[in-house]
Amino acid sequence: EVQLVESGGGLVQPGGSLRLSCADSGFTFRRDWMHWVRQVPGKGLVWVSRINPDGRTTTYADSVRGRFTISRDNAQNTVYLQMNMVGAEDTAVYYCVREFNGIRDFWGQGTLVVVSP
Amino acid sequence: QSVLAQPPSVSGTPGQRVTISCSGSNSNIGRDSVSWYQHLPGTAPTVLICYNYQRPSGVPDRFSGSKSGTSASLAISGLQSEDEADYYCAVWDNILNSYVFGSGTRVTVL
Repeated sequence: EVQLVESGGGLVQPGGSLRLSCADSGFTFRRDWMHWVRQVPGKGLVWVSRINPDGRTTTYADSVRGRFTISRDNAQNTVYLQMNMVGAEDTAVYYCVREFNGIRDFWGQGTLVVVSP
Repeated sequence: QSVLAQPPSVSGTPGQRVTISCSGSNSNIGRDSVSWYQHLPGTAPTVLICYNYQRPSGVPDRFSGSKSGTSASLAISGLQSEDEADYYCAVWDNILNSYVFGSGTRVTVL
């Protein structure tokens, strides 16, 4: 079974930067779209970004466009989320999600990002 | 505020059937397929329904999905205590160019 393991979360100051990583144990990573979804504690799920299999096409939610960058390393089966100029509104659990054949079928356990002075 | 409206909560007794609605628009539900996710606090969300009504392998047939026009719904029949969770509908929105989630529905088993 596919396993997605996120890392890189933690405490960051407002205006700072953080890079999240997601390691995918599956065999289809090179053919999968990958997504990041976040959840503010006590609130609902919110989609953040996606990247296509070869890494050339990326899409972002309006709330993060220009501040966050999604990328991937297919040799390492890893997808990244570079978070810059973070604010309190970016405090959330960030989930990595695999999309296989149009189905967002596997989610990681999430990594918590806290933006605080 | 989500572009997909769901009731905040639904409840039922064990064995009962409950339904969760998801109301959208022509730019999302009206043009693309809907997925439903179950999320138990502290765990990774799991997909229950994809392509409006299809159940991925391993999902019990107590869960069923449907779609009509710009609305979709998830039904849980034979409600069980382990079904207590948050449920989200989701679909690609062509105008926002984003994957959008519903506001979420908390299912409580009385």
